[in-house]
Amino acid sequence: EDQVTQSPEALRLQEGESSSLNCSYTVSGLRGLFWYRQDPGKGPEFLFTLYSAGEEKEKERLKATLTKKESFLHITAPKPEDSATYLCAASFVNAGNMLTFGGGTRLMVKP
Amino acid sequence: DTAVSQTPKYLVTQMGNDKSIKCEQNLGHDTMYWYKQDSKKFLKIMFSYNNKELIINETVPNRFSPKSPDKAHLNLHINSLELGDSAVYFCASSSFGDTQYFGPGTRLTVL
Repeated sequence: EDQVTQSPEALRLQEGESSSLNCSYTVSGLRGLFWYRQDPGKGPEFLFTLYSAGEEKEKERLKATLTKKESFLHITAPKPEDSATYLCAASFVNAGNMLTFGGGTRLMVKP
Repeated sequence: DTAVSQTPKYLVTQMGNDKSIKCEQNLGHDTMYWYKQDSKKFLKIMFSYNNKELIINETVPNRFSPKSPDKAHLNLHINSLELGDSAVYFCASSSFGDTQYFGPGTRLTVL
């Protein structure tokens, strides 16, 4: 069964303290790796899509990278407004276009 | 100009009732989805549907059925509601194989 695992489950940072979130996935048959941000009471908001190992994408303080077995979401000098749950999801070639989500990382950034 | 919208936002009902949740997208996508987010915030795919194919997650009870009047709409019908159906349900859409965009969610509470 295709699986996606995120770590840590929760992360507390001081404002300006950079860190990384991890997403590991079943190695065989990855079609795409997606990062979303979810705020309380809202739907997941799309951040990045990565398709091949070595690919990197950036948006403001966020940078997503992909290797053959995991993806990282690097947060540089975070601000309190970056506090949210970050979700990683993968689509696999044997599962149509359905996404398998990880359990998420709840990020809290204190001023 | 909401991209993916759902109604209602909240739904409270009694066990045994039948209910529907509506979803509309104005992105011109050809594929729509339903996801369930449980109390532990874990997102799980229920259905993937385009005008050619319905893919059902095998774990979804047959009390749940998607119905699509046209390409821009995918409604979720639930028969004989049970306590365990309480969750937040998200609709999403995409062009097949591309990034999925999510609606704001419908919180279903079964009493």
